[in-house]
Amino acid sequence: AQTVTQSQPEMSVQEAETVTLSCTYDTSESDYYLFWYKQPPSRQMILVIRQEAYKQQNATENRFSVNFQKAAKSFSLKISDSQLGDAAMYFCAYRSNTNAGKSTFGDGTTLTVKP
Amino acid sequence: DAGVIQSPRHEVTEMGQEVTLRCKPISGHDYLFWYRQTMMRGLELLIYFNNNVPIDDSGMPEDRFSAKMPNASFSSLKIQPSEPRDSAVYFCASSFNRVETQYFGPGTRLLVL
Repeated sequence: AQTVTQSQPEMSVQEAETVTLSCTYDTSESDYYLFWYKQPPSRQMILVIRQEAYKQQNATENRFSVNFQKAAKSFSLKISDSQLGDAAMYFCAYRSNTNAGKSTFGDGTTLTVKP
Repeated sequence: DAGVIQSPRHEVTEMGQEVTLRCKPISGHDYLFWYRQTMMRGLELLIYFNNNVPIDDSGMPEDRFSAKMPNASFSSLKIQPSEPRDSAVYFCASSFNRVETQYFGPGTRLLVL
């Protein structure tokens, strides 16, 4: 079974600085997708960024980018120029393309942004 | 599109009562997921459907929980009888296919007294 590990329960960053959230996963599959979701205090789960495992190029969405290391099974999220609105819990998720679409989520990292 | 719609947004009930949570997925999405989120256990996948058919219900905690998807635009999660340990936020999510992004509803906050 696939597992997703977020080793940092909590992180903090100064406003305008850069922070990296780590995520590792364990799988024997070669075809899968990885996601980062943001959950602010409102509890709404919001997609931040998505990466296809077959793509070598790291995904980027404005201030958010990933460092995808397929061999190491690592998928970290970098937030540049952190803003107060970035404060939230961040979840890393794995989705299989060979296991009928089943998803596995990490335990989450709570990010605090200090003004 | 209005996104994934869940109702009710909040539910307070007494132990032993039946609770039904409802979900309307995004039109055209053929995967639907039910998750439960608690402080102790994090985000747990309870069950998911593909084209209205349950694919994996191994996350359903016990027989008190059941889920249905009678058509492409509606799913329900029922707890009967409810217990205080069922208190959680229940999310419904849908996706276009088995690899696309899951879009989450706003969640139902359930409190069982």
